[in-house]
Amino acid sequence: AQTVTQSQPEMSVQEAETVTLSCTYDTSENNYYLFWYKQPPSRQMILVIRQEAYKQQNATENRFSVNFQKAAKSFSLKISDSQLGDTAMYFCAFMNFTSGTYKYIFGTGTRLKVLA
Amino acid sequence: DTAVSQTPKYLVTQMGNDKSIKCEQNLGHDTMYWYKQDSKKFLKIMFSYNNKELIINETVPNRFSPKSPDKAHLNLHINSLELGDSAVYFCASSPSFRGTEAFFGQGTRLTVV
Repeated sequence: AQTVTQSQPEMSVQEAETVTLSCTYDTSENNYYLFWYKQPPSRQMILVIRQEAYKQQNATENRFSVNFQKAAKSFSLKISDSQLGDTAMYFCAFMNFTSGTYKYIFGTGTRLKVLA
Repeated sequence: DTAVSQTPKYLVTQMGNDKSIKCEQNLGHDTMYWYKQDSKKFLKIMFSYNNKELIINETVPNRFSPKSPDKAHLNLHINSLELGDSAVYFCASSPSFRGTEAFFGQGTRLTVV
């Protein structure tokens, strides 16, 4: 069974600094997709970034980028120039196709606090 | 113009009651899900429907009964509510092809007292 592990329950970073959130996963599949979601206090789940496993190039979205190491099964999220609005729970997610449908498996989350 | 909408946002009820949460998506997606987020923020899949057909049931107690009248709606009915059912329940949808993220509703916070 696929699992997703986020080993940092909580992190903090000063405004304008850079922070990296860790995620590892376990799968025997070769083709899959990985995501980072943000959940601010409003509770809404918001997609931050996605990565296709077959692409070697790391995905970037403005201040957000990933370091995808397929062999190591690692998928970390780097937030540059952190802003107060980045304060939220961050979830790493793995998507695979199983039993005739797509299934998203989430890590336990990292609570990020950006300090003024 | 919400893509995935759930009602109600908050639900407080007594033990033993029966309650329903409704979900609708206007994205034209074929697949819909229910996830449960517990007090430690862990998100766990409960059910997945594809074109109104139940595909995944993650060993959820049979007090929980999802119903999909059409592919745009997936409701969750819970019988004989227990204290341990208190959580945030998220509805989500995704299209039937790889690489696309799941789109989530705003969640329903259920509190059983």
